[in-house]
Amino acid sequence: QAVVTQEPSLTVSPGGTVTLTCGSSTGAVTSGHWPYWLQQKPGQAPRTLIYDTSNKHSWAPARFSGSLLGGKAALTLSGAQPEDEAEYYCLLSYSGIVVFGGGTKLTVL
Amino acid sequence: QVQLVQSGAEVKKPGASVKVSCKASGYTFTSYGISWVRQAPGQGLEWVGWISAYKGNTNYAQKLQGRVTMTTDTSTSTAYMELRSLRSDDTAVYYCARIKGGYWGQGTLVTVSS
Repeated sequence: QAVVTQEPSLTVSPGGTVTLTCGSSTGAVTSGHWPYWLQQKPGQAPRTLIYDTSNKHSWAPARFSGSLLGGKAALTLSGAQPEDEAEYYCLLSYSGIVVFGGGTKLTVL
Repeated sequence: QVQLVQSGAEVKKPGASVKVSCKASGYTFTSYGISWVRQAPGQGLEWVGWISAYKGNTNYAQKLQGRVTMTTDTSTSTAYMELRSLRSDDTAVYYCARIKGGYWGQGTLVTVSS
């Protein structure tokens, strides 16, 4: 089974910009993996921010964007806010099999 | 609006079975599949499997093959996930999700303890 890798933790200053990445053990991540980005805060269910690489969900703040970067899926947060402190998961699809990354704990400090 | 509402928390003994429900509303149930995802305490997300609400075909995570069964009832727009031969490491919050479009249920805590 494929392994999906994310940075375990990242820190960003309030108002700053940070990019989280999502790689695949099988090679480059493409749009065919239908990358998703989820945000999860303690005690809450995950919430989808980005679907199909770069499409923003209706409730996702404009400061979040998704892309493909250097063979990985990427989530960029521009203008971080304290409320963005959370765990972020990416999800890739491999011919109907879904694999989650291990998550990135984002600290806004 | 799209909603997925799950059944309540369960406590089971090792070896027992659990069946979690997920009632969908706000969209045509048979137009999308339902995925099940679990999260053990303090851990990340783990995909359990997927069922087509239209045809009923399924795709299960390899490690749970043989112990998990997913079904749907189109008359009530409800999806079900049954997990058998429960072990302590099955203790987790189980989520249903309409991943296409990005909708998640609130989660159901399943605790396996003697």
